[in-house]
Amino acid sequence: DQQVKQNSPSLSVQEGRISILNCDYTNSMFDYFLWYKKYPAEGPTFLISISSIKDKNEDGRFTVFLNKSAKHLSLHIVPSQPGDSAVYFCAASYNFNKFYFGSGTKLNVKP
Amino acid sequence: DAGVIQSPRHEVTEMGQEVTLRCKPISGHDYLFWYRQTMMRGLELLIYFNNNVPIDDSGMPEDRFSAKMPNASFSTLKIQPSEPRDSAVYFCASKGRDTYGYTFGSGTRLTVV
Repeated sequence: DQQVKQNSPSLSVQEGRISILNCDYTNSMFDYFLWYKKYPAEGPTFLISISSIKDKNEDGRFTVFLNKSAKHLSLHIVPSQPGDSAVYFCAASYNFNKFYFGSGTKLNVKP
Repeated sequence: DAGVIQSPRHEVTEMGQEVTLRCKPISGHDYLFWYRQTMMRGLELLIYFNNNVPIDDSGMPEDRFSAKMPNASFSTLKIQPSEPRDSAVYFCASKGRDTYGYTFGSGTRLTVV
């Protein structure tokens, strides 16, 4: 049973617009969340994180929002760029060591 | 630092053969993780080590899978015998004690025919 779910396998967005990637989790013990980006033939790379004591974390064009009551987090990319085209994974943990990953969302940013 | 190094990058083997995947973590990192990526299940944690000791192997699918970490700079994931359903990309990742995110290797794409 997957504890972290990304229900949209793919998303297509026009360059310059906002990309919103969603993630849901089931375990209320999770208190730390990460987003990773993955290009083809490469390993995932860390993008941005958020802890449960916050509801928003921003890093340049990337913002992660956390709604603990809904067990939902989202990643916003504004403005989207063609180089952002990749697979995005969300991950959650309750002990900072073992992270549970979602199945990924493939983002395509069209020029 | 060269990052997490995995070998081989690609492996094609016949069903029933033994397969060994290798990983060198980042120096100083004391956690090591093996993940498997498939289309259906995304990234699944197979096993992780802390200070070379296996901590959680609940994700190892079957007895055909085994993992070792004989020292702080080397780990192996072995599949014996391999089956076509083992075909996937296998990632190794490492983490320092005081860091939160993992650093992943580039992965090994395994194809069992």
